[in-house]
Amino acid sequence: DAGVIQSPRHEVTEMGQEVTLRCKPISGHNSLFWYRQTMMRGLELLIYFNNNVPIDDSGMPEDRFSAKMPNASFSTLKIQPSEPRDSAVYFCASGLGAGGNTIYFGEGSWLTVV
Amino acid sequence: GNSVTQMEGPVTLSEEAFLTINCTYTATGYPSLFWYVQYPGEGLQLLLKATKADDKGSNKGFEATYRKETTSFHLEKGSVQVSDSAVYFCALCSSNTGNQFYFGTGTSLTVIP
Repeated sequence: DAGVIQSPRHEVTEMGQEVTLRCKPISGHNSLFWYRQTMMRGLELLIYFNNNVPIDDSGMPEDRFSAKMPNASFSTLKIQPSEPRDSAVYFCASGLGAGGNTIYFGEGSWLTVV
Repeated sequence: GNSVTQMEGPVTLSEEAFLTINCTYTATGYPSLFWYVQYPGEGLQLLLKATKADDKGSNKGFEATYRKETTSFHLEKGSVQVSDSAVYFCALCSSNTGNQFYFGTGTSLTVIP
């Protein structure tokens, strides 16, 4: 299997611009997670989907962040407008959504907002 | 609620030294426990897991035993190598909370020759 695929791998954008990060989960997986990783705050869960439905979005920082999962094979995380403090690595992970099952991470999207 | 606490890093060891990274958890119900590893510039990868009490997960010389009585899942390796240098994350997943994953803060390990 191809694994979790994220795009773009690297993005540099100016403050105020809209950023869209994309994720294709592993085929057949029904749970999907978006995480953010920074040196200061470590690994933070932003949002968790199960069967395309958001289950927990309490980690989404503020209204500037939004996430969608229109179907089982695609999800987006959007930041509008972006700010320098949003600079981080954003990871998508997917799994089978049952207790004991592993989740698999993509290679991350490295975002720099200048 | 559910949470994971792991020892603060960074940890620096000489090659062939014994490694222990402590992890304790708080959970409702009977969670599954995991160790993930993150090499520089990469995403997290599963290292090992255990799904019930007294299970031992093992992989690449690493092992961890699910101890319900002490709510712990400490990671150990008898002889570390330079290639083990990475960040290690302890995690739990509980069906009582919709199979959401909870990660610890990560422990950075550097192995010097």
